[in-house]
Amino acid sequence: NAGVTQTPKFQVLKTGQSMTLQCAQDMNHNSMYWYRQDPGMGLRLIYYSASEGTTDKGEVPNGYNVSRLNKREFSLRLESAAPSQTSVYFCASSLDSGNTIYFGEGSWLTVV
Amino acid sequence: GIQVEQSPPDLILQEGANSTLRCNFSDSVNNLQWFHQNPWGQLINLFYIPSGTKQNGRLSATTVATERYSLLYISSSQTTDSGVYFCAVNTGGFKTIFGAGTRLFVKA
Repeated sequence: NAGVTQTPKFQVLKTGQSMTLQCAQDMNHNSMYWYRQDPGMGLRLIYYSASEGTTDKGEVPNGYNVSRLNKREFSLRLESAAPSQTSVYFCASSLDSGNTIYFGEGSWLTVV
Repeated sequence: GIQVEQSPPDLILQEGANSTLRCNFSDSVNNLQWFHQNPWGQLINLFYIPSGTKQNGRLSATTVATERYSLLYISSSQTTDSGVYFCAVNTGGFKTIFGAGTRLFVKA
């Protein structure tokens, strides 16, 4: 039982490049999330997917797109990376809204 | 939106000491969770505690929803307790708001 798995773990991008962060969970959870973590600011919600086939904006959605590919997988795409998107990105899942949240191990992204 | 404030922001303990971390929130919440982020960045859920008291080994948590605060108690601290402790609240729906965290360092 791997829980929440996200890839890649580390990535360096040049400004303007695009990339996709992949996330999968094997807990049969309905809800999935993407957070970013910046120093001194805790975690902020980028996008979430309440259930398969739905996605919604969180607190800081600008510059990102997401896809809920199926119940297991939820990807985050940066179309044109900017230095302000340098951060640690966490994928997470929960059975439903307001339930215990389980996090992946994080993806360290640097945009130069 | 709801404000979540954690205190203290930083805490240094000698191994074996006890500590209390506090989380204040500015509005009614449906649930509250405590997380530990270890020095390698991994986030682990410690408690799901919308109200009342729960205990798990040396850790316990109490949430007084009517007074809008929660406390995390760490007893007989160990070096492995080092890291950042986050409080996170949910007011309904899918948006869980995190506090800025308390950074704990336990000295051997």
